[in-house]
Amino acid sequence: AQKVTQAQTEISVVEKEDVTLDCVYETRDTTYYLFWYKQPPSGELVFLIRRNSFDEQNEISGRYSWNFQKSTSSFNFTITASQVVDSAVYFCALSTRHSGGGADGLTFGKGTHLIIQP
Amino acid sequence: EAGVAQSPRYKIIEKRQSVAFWCNPISGHATLYWYQQILGQGPKLLIQFQNNGVVDDSQLPKDRFSAERLKGVDSTLKIQPAKLEDSAVYLCASSLAGVDTQYFGPGTRLTVL
Repeated sequence: AQKVTQAQTEISVVEKEDVTLDCVYETRDTTYYLFWYKQPPSGELVFLIRRNSFDEQNEISGRYSWNFQKSTSSFNFTITASQVVDSAVYFCALSTRHSGGGADGLTFGKGTHLIIQP
Repeated sequence: EAGVAQSPRYKIIEKRQSVAFWCNPISGHATLYWYQQILGQGPKLLIQFQNNGVVDDSQLPKDRFSAERLKGVDSTLKIQPAKLEDSAVYLCASSLAGVDTQYFGPGTRLTVL
């Protein structure tokens, strides 16, 4: 069985602070994919990043960065110099390959509600 | 490129009534997913289609939920009869066959009274 844990239910910071959202995953598969999605108040899930299990290289995209560590089964997300527009619920998710070779559905964490105060 | 389309955006029904949701995936995406997102929780997979075949429906409450994707393009999810606990947002997502990034539609918010 697969599981994704986002222990932080809600984080509130003041604009321009850095903030890290934690994600811990569990899977027995050796090939898997990790994702982060953003869900703003409008409700639509917006894809942010995908990482496969064979690529532990960290990634930076503007103010966003991701730290993938297989040794601790973690895939953490950092926003540098946060802005009010970053306020949203952020979900970490996991998928594996099914027997037919395609991708399974996503297993999501419960999400972290990030509040950026002006 | 057009995204995943869903309709209706909102639906209010009384318990024991029936309801149907429609999804049109991104053009060329062979894999289609339906998720249920209850308030305050992450989405939960209900069913996954590959073209017009079901890949995984292990979490679909089959006594009341059904879904089809007859021509391998758009899909319909039905609930009959609805219960209070079915109040949720129903999300449709699609992905290219063999590629794992799923793109989501805006969702249908269902309220069962």
